[in-house]
Amino acid sequence: SAVISQKPSRDICQRGTSLTIQCQVDSQVTMMFWYRQQPGQSLTLIATANQGSEATYESGFVIDKFPISRPNLTFSTLTVSNMSPEDSSIYLCSVRMGVGTEAFFGQGTRLTVV
Amino acid sequence: SQKIEQNSEALNIQEGKTATLTCNYTNYSPAYLQWYRQDPGRGPVFLLLIRENEKEKRKERLKVTFDTTLKQSLFHITASQPADSATYLCALDTNDYKLSFGAGTTVTVRA
Repeated sequence: SAVISQKPSRDICQRGTSLTIQCQVDSQVTMMFWYRQQPGQSLTLIATANQGSEATYESGFVIDKFPISRPNLTFSTLTVSNMSPEDSSIYLCSVRMGVGTEAFFGQGTRLTVV
Repeated sequence: SQKIEQNSEALNIQEGKTATLTCNYTNYSPAYLQWYRQDPGRGPVFLLLIRENEKEKRKERLKVTFDTTLKQSLFHITASQPADSATYLCALDTNDYKLSFGAGTTVTVRA
């Protein structure tokens, strides 16, 4: 199993600013992911955070808007850049040990952009 | 295009009854299918995983079926309790290690 500490748990930000979300895992994990969940909608995968290399982004998400770092196997950050109200959402960090295994999630970061 | 659909309406049931949730998918070939529970303000929590060659899986009061011909999974909560009130998400697990989630079904169990 894995325990994930994600922070901040919530924030209210001004448009045009950036917010960095941190994800700390209590054990080394290979696969780490960042999701977005808009109200009443499913989790949408933003990117896979790769240790020591650039993240792999899903269609519709770009590095300039959502830069991701993963300096080691237990830590990652997601930055939401140049925010607009459309970025208001819940952002979730998740880890897995491999295909066919369960995913573990952080508590999420509820972001409101005003 | 790929699509995952869960019960579009919220489910309201009486305590003690069985809740049945559906998950239908198109244009996926999942090797596994997973179910998660999500409470307000929390991240999803894993409940059950079923493999493509398994028809049914049980865990305590939970039962999952998986029909790859119909491209459907059913999730049952038997002898439901108010503490079972939450949103339940299905997730398709293909061999590219990513999980694709449905929008979820919100279940409310009345005492």
